[in-house]
Amino acid sequence: LAKTTQPISMDSYEGQEVNITCSHNNIATNDYITWYQQFPSQGPRFIIQGYKTKVTNEVASLFIPADRKSSTLSLPRVSLSDTAVYYCLVARNTGGFKTIFGAGTRLFVKA
Amino acid sequence: DVKVTQSSRYLVKRTGEKVFLECVQDMDHENMFWYRQDPGLGLRLIYFSYDVKMKEKGDIPEGYSVSREKKERFSLILESASTNQTSMYLCASSPGTLGTEAFFGQGTRLTVV
Repeated sequence: LAKTTQPISMDSYEGQEVNITCSHNNIATNDYITWYQQFPSQGPRFIIQGYKTKVTNEVASLFIPADRKSSTLSLPRVSLSDTAVYYCLVARNTGGFKTIFGAGTRLFVKA
Repeated sequence: DVKVTQSSRYLVKRTGEKVFLECVQDMDHENMFWYRQDPGLGLRLIYFSYDVKMKEKGDIPEGYSVSREKKERFSLILESASTNQTSMYLCASSPGTLGTEAFFGQGTRLTVV
């Protein structure tokens, strides 16, 4: 499965839009791109998933270019409670799935 | 809401003990997973199961085994606990064919002394 690379950490201020980019150069045809959020002492929580182009839900948007070698998670108007680790991962859903989680991006939102 | 429940939040075991970590999900999901999480290493897949009695090795299966006798329950077994298995263990479940969204439990912090 494709390994993902994302920034180790990012800082932002409340009310700003945050974009976290992830590269997955070896992504395969059957692979989906998924993002999770994790707070300390909790399990990761699903944010958004996509295959190509743009996906939007009530929490975030996910932009995937045509070559699918990267993706960008966009969090609109972040708040202090968005301080967390964000994981980009590639997952293949063919009967069962294997995923590779990267080290994640630690987002720190300041007041 | 989907609920994935892990039997213990914190566990302390001695080296050489056989350790059982239990996970139960209430959404009739086909897939279940065990990960371990260590600082700087992210989450690593130990084993996963896509059906009752079916299992597949993940990236780091050595020293672990699993059991899935019922659809809702997935157990991780440390055959002979060692100090390098001190870690946070996370269980997850997901539907079989509706994509790859996984729901995680709260985790079990295991310390092997």
